[in-house]
Amino acid sequence: DVKVTQSSRYLVKRTGEKVFLECVQDMDHENMFWYRQDPGLGLRLIYFSYDVKMKEKGDIPEGYSVSREKKERFSLILESASTNQTSMYLCASSLSRTGLAGVSDTQYFGPGTRLTVL
Amino acid sequence: AQSVTQLGSHVSVSEGALVLLRCNYSSSVPPYLFWYVQYPNQGLQLLLKYTTGATLVKGINGFEAEFKKSETSFHLTKPSAHMSDAAEYFCAVSDPFMNTGFQKLVFGTGTRLLVSP
Repeated sequence: DVKVTQSSRYLVKRTGEKVFLECVQDMDHENMFWYRQDPGLGLRLIYFSYDVKMKEKGDIPEGYSVSREKKERFSLILESASTNQTSMYLCASSLSRTGLAGVSDTQYFGPGTRLTVL
Repeated sequence: AQSVTQLGSHVSVSEGALVLLRCNYSSSVPPYLFWYVQYPNQGLQLLLKYTTGATLVKGINGFEAEFKKSETSFHLTKPSAHMSDAAEYFCAVSDPFMNTGFQKLVFGTGTRLLVSP
């Protein structure tokens, strides 16, 4: 069965703290994604990775960085958390990185991490 | 860049009634189209997707969607709503991703479906 797991379901942090959100997939997928979900805004892409150590900025990368040292793991890092980063964070993965074939691949989502920054 | 419009942030139906959730996209070039569902406290799950071929796509749980190029639409329907269909539904469209050669998904803002007994 397809599985994407995220390290925490709920997280509360203080302003200025460094925050790590971890995502692991067990499907040997090439692509991994980080989104944030906010009411009325839908899902917005923060970063994605198409291979180990490869990353691309999404639509809203400011204030975030990512790390992908192993194929199965993709980490989202908030270097200095701020209150406007309070949100639901969703990780996803998909099989292929090859152009058009890749875009029709289903993205499989984790359960999400609800982050509150005080 | 692509954009996706979902009309109605909330749709209410009675159990057994027709479900119609609307989705329009911006591009004149036929993209790949997706509907995802999010049940409370869960991640997103694929309902169905259109890539090529037949424009009427059937998905899980009795849902289907029809790709209409002339209307740039991909509305989601189900003939008879069930209480378990209460969830948030997201339409998504593929979009070229800057200069990478890859494509990403652009999501709509979501429609929450409420089902009453």
